[in-house]
Amino acid sequence: EVQLVQSGAEVKKPGESLKISCKGSGYSFTSYWIGWVRQMPGKGLEWMGIIYPADSDTTYSPSFQGQVTMSADKSISTAYVQWSSLKASDTAMYYCARLNQSGSYFDYWGQGTLVTVSS
Amino acid sequence: SYELTQPPSVSVSPGQTARITCSGDALPKHYAYWYQQKPGQAPVVVIYKDIERPSGIPERFSGASSGTTVTLTISGVQAEDEADYYCQSADSTHSSGTSHWVFGGGTKLTVL
Repeated sequence: EVQLVQSGAEVKKPGESLKISCKGSGYSFTSYWIGWVRQMPGKGLEWMGIIYPADSDTTYSPSFQGQVTMSADKSISTAYVQWSSLKASDTAMYYCARLNQSGSYFDYWGQGTLVTVSS
Repeated sequence: SYELTQPPSVSVSPGQTARITCSGDALPKHYAYWYQQKPGQAPVVVIYKDIERPSGIPERFSGASSGTTVTLTISGVQAEDEADYYCQSADSTHSSGTSHWVFGGGTKLTVL
């Protein structure tokens, strides 16, 4: 069974750093792109970027370029997204999702990680 | 930047047909995908490649494409279909040649 299990909810202060994770299982982790999607409170889905765990090739949405860093550790089948200096506007639910074999849509999703940034 | 446009809300009574549209200039060139998201849950794909239905998705969900608009149709709507629905497609406006993806703004389906 394909599963993407994300790390737990985080509460941070503005200016702090953060790294959240997404662990894949039940499939060949290095054979599929992993995407990250933001959902701000009460808002829609926003594509942040994707990473190919086999070689860490990464593409960012222009809206998120320079704002986050995506990485992956294929040895433990885990993808990450990190912030170096959080802002209140980073408060959101973050989902990781597997891009299907043809690279056209997200066929499996993690449960989401809620990030709250507040002073 | 490329955008997919959806109506913010659609309301139907149980048993009626709900139609949710998604418009985008590049839809004639790229497939569209539809996700259902219920409160507190991750999205689930209900239609892929404009008209295909994944296994496990009820037959009342169907998709259609015409020019720059794709449509998700839910026939015989049930209370359990109340959710947010998002279309998604490829964003081919980037000169870098790399693949980008875009979501529509989402449509809240209310079952009256």
